Amino acid sequence: GESVGLHLPTLSVQEGDNSIINCAYSNSASDYFIWYKQESGKGPQFIIDIRSNMDKRQGQRVTVLLNKTVKHLSLQIAATQPGDSAVYFCAEITQAGTYKYIFGTGTRLKVLA
Amino acid sequence: DTEVTQTPKHLVMGMTNKKSLKCEQHMGHRAMYWYKQKAKKPPELMFVYSYEKLSINESVPSRFSPECPNSSLLNLHLHALQPEDSALYLCASSLSSAPGVSGNTIYFGEGSWLTVV
Repeated sequence: GESVGLHLPTLSVQEGDNSIINCAYSNSASDYFIWYKQESGKGPQFIIDIRSNMDKRQGQRVTVLLNKTVKHLSLQIAATQPGDSAVYFCAEITQAGTYKYIFGTGTRLKVLA
Repeated sequence: DTEVTQTPKHLVMGMTNKKSLKCEQHMGHRAMYWYKQKAKKPPELMFVYSYEKLSINESVPSRFSPECPNSSLLNLHLHALQPEDSALYLCASSLSSAPGVSGNTIYFGEGSWLTVV
């Protein structure tokens, strides 16, 4: 299930199930989005990106969906594995004079054996 | 493995100390970034260098001083920090600072854990 903790929302899924991590972004003018995975004690690692002229993009075991109408981004992970346990951040790229990458609040994914 | 290398991995410094964080990449990227990350929070942008020139300073206090000696190196000089500056400092790089360009993903280093005592 999904819960909202004091600081970081957490999603717990059974190993082998599909995971869906959601992100709401703020700027309707943002034209590029990235999902990052951050394991404990490490820097963020690129997973997949999508441009605003697309609504879906697939990678290996991951799919990103973009709904510009409601400013919503989701990351779907198929057949979730223990190694997928991490914090996932979405990032929007917006222009305010120059381009900026702004990160969402993050979601912790816990994979249960 | 990350291709953005940060040193040191851990740093403990007093409030009167002067220290530096270092970052290096050899991917030919021309944009380099410093981010600050507190526990359970997303990375927050501090500085952006584009073609070795500072293009973004997110109103960072002057006790943090970035330097880009060449296209492969990025430093963050630290002086008179406060305990609340303790955080993970992430360096990143990308092909350029323009988004949406094919292959223009930001790549992060493993970070430098800073503790100010």
